[in-house]
Amino acid sequence: AQTVTQSQPEMSVQEAETVTLSCTYDTSESDYYLFWYKQPPSRQMILVIRQEAYKQQNATENRFSVNFQKAAKSFSLKISDSQLGDAAMYFCAYGGATNKLIFGTGTLLAVQP
Amino acid sequence: DTGVSQDPRHKITKRGQNVTFRCDPISEHNRLYWYRQTLGQGPEFLTYFQNEAQLEKSRLLSDRFSAERPKGSFSTLEIQRTEQGDSAMYLCASSPPPAGDSYEQYFGPGTRLTVT
Repeated sequence: AQTVTQSQPEMSVQEAETVTLSCTYDTSESDYYLFWYKQPPSRQMILVIRQEAYKQQNATENRFSVNFQKAAKSFSLKISDSQLGDAAMYFCAYGGATNKLIFGTGTLLAVQP
Repeated sequence: DTGVSQDPRHKITKRGQNVTFRCDPISEHNRLYWYRQTLGQGPEFLTYFQNEAQLEKSRLLSDRFSAERPKGSFSTLEIQRTEQGDSAMYLCASSPPPAGDSYEQYFGPGTRLTVT
């Protein structure tokens, strides 16, 4: 069975600084997707960034980028130039052949002004 | 806005009562998912529909839970004889047929259930 582990329950970053959130996963599948979702307090979950396992190039979306290490089964999220609006719970998720998403336990990110 | 919608947003019920939640996916999405999220945890998969067919159910979905998607559009999730352990946020998500890079799931705002 696939598992997703987020070992940082909470992180804090100063506004305009860079922060990296960690995620590791375990799978025996060769074709899968990895996602980072953001869940602001009392608001719905939105997709931040997506990585296809077959692509070697790391995905980038504006200030958000990932470091995908397939052999190490690691998928970290880097947020550059952090903004107050980035404060939220961040979930790493795995999507494979079964279509369902498997989520980690989340990292609560605080952004200090 | 044509995102995923859920109704109601909040539900307070007494133990033993039945509750039903509704999810309306994005119109062109043929796949619909239900997840449950408890406080401080990530969402956990409950069940998945492709069109009107329920293709997978989690072991979390006890006999008291039933989900339907009768016409392949909206879906309902019913919990019978609610228990305090059912208190959680129930999330619905939808996704389009796999095509190229379109694989992500789009989430609704959730229904927060409190069982007293």
